[in-house]
Amino acid sequence: AQRVTQPEKLLSVFKGAPVELKCNYSYSGSPELFWYVQYSRQRLQLLLRHISRESIKGFTADLNKGETSFHLKKPFAQEEDSAMYYCAVTDSWGKLQFGAGTQVVVTP
Amino acid sequence: EAQVTQNPRYLITVTGKKLTVTCSQNMNHEYMSWYRQDPGLGLRQIYYSMNVEVTDKGDVPEGYKVSRKEKRNFPLILESPSPNQTSLYFCASRWDSLNTGELFFGEGSRLTVL
Repeated sequence: AQRVTQPEKLLSVFKGAPVELKCNYSYSGSPELFWYVQYSRQRLQLLLRHISRESIKGFTADLNKGETSFHLKKPFAQEEDSAMYYCAVTDSWGKLQFGAGTQVVVTP
Repeated sequence: EAQVTQNPRYLITVTGKKLTVTCSQNMNHEYMSWYRQDPGLGLRQIYYSMNVEVTDKGDVPEGYKVSRKEKRNFPLILESPSPNQTSLYFCASRWDSLNTGELFFGEGSRLTVL
């Protein structure tokens, strides 16, 4: 079965420290991968997608096909990064599957 | 402003009382979808629609119905709500059904079934 796994439910980091959110997937073919973010009391929004190779708000994510991972990283966490982060994978039919989410708390 | 609008945002109801959560998008998107968000389970797809009059089940469709009579609207219907349908519901839309572009979300509808 196709799966998206985010092993950490909660990640607590200090401001200025690096943060890495793990995402592993099991999909056949060539899926497309995304990270969505949900700030407190706001709607989910796209943070980044692997095909664009952009850095958004200091976050980057590298697709590792060998390890089937798409970990999200930021070298220096800020308080405004506190949010819920979802890894998502689209299969060749366009169906988007979300992971269970990782809550990030950045403390000063 | 391009957006996905859900109503109501908050609703408390009782078991068995039919309700509808509306979803409307003004971006002329073909693809629309409903998700429920539960702690520890993330977002799970309930139903989706590839275009007008084309709908299909997602991962957790039991207890829900949808319709897509117009491109902009995709209501979620709970014919006989039960307490296990207490959840936060999100509607989302995307340009087309096979495009892997960005999914735009509504603000969410928090439903409590007593």
